[in-house]
Amino acid sequence: TQLLEQSPQFLSIQEGENLTVYCNSSSVFSSLQWYRQEPGEGPVLLVTVVTGGEVKKLKRLTFQFGDARKDSSLHITAAQPGDTGLYLCAGARAGNMLTFGGGTRLMVKP
Amino acid sequence: DTAVSQTPKYLVTQMGNDKSIKCEQNLGHDTMYWYKQDSKKFLKIMFSYNNKELIINETVPNRFSPKSPDKAHLNLHINSLELGDSAVYFCASSPTVTSTDTQYFGPGTRLTVL
Repeated sequence: TQLLEQSPQFLSIQEGENLTVYCNSSSVFSSLQWYRQEPGEGPVLLVTVVTGGEVKKLKRLTFQFGDARKDSSLHITAAQPGDTGLYLCAGARAGNMLTFGGGTRLMVKP
Repeated sequence: DTAVSQTPKYLVTQMGNDKSIKCEQNLGHDTMYWYKQDSKKFLKIMFSYNNKELIINETVPNRFSPKSPDKAHLNLHINSLELGDSAVYFCASSPTVTSTDTQYFGPGTRLTVL
């Protein structure tokens, strides 16, 4: 069974602080995807990383895929209350099957 | 103009009952999925259909039976509901089964079994 360990599970920070969420696995994935989920809604894709060592930026969010394509990180710079939510990483394998991490619940206080 | 829609949004039922959840996508995608999200927010794949054909069944009890009448619909029927079936069920779709294709999720159906 391919597992994705996501850490931390919970994170409560003040507005303006930086944070990093980690997603680790012993397995190689075809791609690694990051989603954000709001209460009462389905997950929404933020980014897909495919190549080992790849770095993608989305405004204040920076996503990195490990060289061996087994782990990934999400770094948020100068967090804002609007960043509050559940962040999920997911590894894709054959058939576009997604294996999700356990999620990181982020709260950014004003 | 909702991309992936599910009905109902909420479903409360008694143990032992049979219920169905419907999913429709208007994106013209070939592939559809069902996921289960438990109370700890862990999201797990249940089924994957490509062009109306089942391609993945992730060790889900056979009380769960997906049905795809056409490419745009993937319904989930659950027989003899159990307490442990209580969860939020998400339908999703993607253009193809390519592992870099974006999956678009529906709003979820919260199932509560009493």
